[in-house]
Amino acid sequence: AQKVTQAQTEISVVEKEDVTLDCVYETRDTTYYLFWYKQPPSGELVFLIRRNSFDEQNEISGRYSWNFQKSTSSFNFTITASQVVDSAVYFCALSSSGNTGKLIFGQGTTLQVKP
Amino acid sequence: EAQVTQNPRYLITVTGKKLTVTCSQNMNHEYMSWYRQDPGLGLRQIYYSMNVEVTDKGDVPEGYKVSRKEKRNFPLILESPSPNQTSLYFCASRPVQGLGSYNEQFFGPGTRLTVL
Repeated sequence: AQKVTQAQTEISVVEKEDVTLDCVYETRDTTYYLFWYKQPPSGELVFLIRRNSFDEQNEISGRYSWNFQKSTSSFNFTITASQVVDSAVYFCALSSSGNTGKLIFGQGTTLQVKP
Repeated sequence: EAQVTQNPRYLITVTGKKLTVTCSQNMNHEYMSWYRQDPGLGLRQIYYSMNVEVTDKGDVPEGYKVSRKEKRNFPLILESPSPNQTSLYFCASRPVQGLGSYNEQFFGPGTRLTVL
């Protein structure tokens, strides 16, 4: 069975601190896909990044970076120099390959960035 | 503008009163899906559709129905709502061709449903 675990329910930091959101996944598939979504207080879901299981390159996009490690089944997300606008719920999700693959979401991590 | 729309955005109803939440996308996507979001559980898939007239159950289909008569629309039907269906509902769509399930899913704005 596929599963995504985000063990950190809530994280609170002060602005400009770095913060890492953990994501651990379980799957028996050799080909699978990982995603991160952001849900700001307004409620919509915003796509951040995707990774396939054959691409372990880390990704950096501005203040955001992602560390994908198959050896530990983790796909962690780091925000550098956090800002108040980063306050949101962040979801990690897993999908199997194939056209019918659904997204399996983690429980979500609520990040609060205080000024 | 490419988007997924849902209506209504907020709904308060009573147990047993049939309701429909509409979902429409303008991106010509084949795949559409419904999720519910509950605290501590993340989002869970209710139903999905690969194309017109092709639908299948997700992880939590009990108490829900869907239909896909047109490519752009994928309504969620609660024939007899119960309080345990109080939740935040999201509709999503993505292409099937090309990258398949590696394609990004586009989500609607959500529908907050309360069943009293």
